[in-house]
Amino acid sequence: AQSVTQPDIHITVSEGASLELRCNYSYGATPYLFWYVQSPGQGLQLLLKYFSGDTLVQGIKGFEAEFKRSQSSFNLRKPSVHWSDAAEYFCAVGALIKAAGNKLTFGGGTRVLVKP
Amino acid sequence: AAGVIQSPRHLIKEKRETATLKCYPIPRHDTVYWYQQGPGQDPQFLISFYEKMQSDKGSIPDRFSAQQFSDYHSELNMSSLELGDSALYFCASSLAPQVAGELFFGEGSRLTVL
Repeated sequence: AQSVTQPDIHITVSEGASLELRCNYSYGATPYLFWYVQSPGQGLQLLLKYFSGDTLVQGIKGFEAEFKRSQSSFNLRKPSVHWSDAAEYFCAVGALIKAAGNKLTFGGGTRVLVKP
Repeated sequence: AAGVIQSPRHLIKEKRETATLKCYPIPRHDTVYWYQQGPGQDPQFLISFYEKMQSDKGSIPDRFSAQQFSDYHSELNMSSLELGDSALYFCASSLAPQVAGELFFGEGSRLTVL
């Protein structure tokens, strides 16, 4: 069974500082990895995804993530955080359900607070 | 671009009542997923449908049922509601079969059970 661990429940960062959110996964085959962001009371927005190929993935809003198979990690980074980045971030791993698409298993989320 | 539409966005029910949530997937998407996100929790997979057939089942209570209709929209029916059913219910859609297909989420339906 697949699982995702986000070790940090909360992270506080100053505006303009760099941000790194950790994600570790457990999956028996090649993982399909995603990062979603959720603003309060809102839905889930996809930031970026990794399927194969280049292990450094660029996403929206200036985010990037690096897949490291040896460490079973898919950490999310942003060089300079903006106040609007305050939200909850979910890492997810995807598994193919037979021939019917992609079920996601989410990590517990990391809530990011941005200090002015 | 059209997104996943969920209705209603907010719903308040009493214990032991029933509730129905609706999900309209992105046009041409044939797979629908339901997730439940309790307060401060991560989204938990409930159930999915592909081409109107249930394709996978997660932690969905027996009091809940769901189906996908011929126009690919889906409905989640919840009966004998309990306080613990209060949550944000997400629907997502994707194209399948597709290896590692991306899921597109709706904005969720917030159910409050009093």
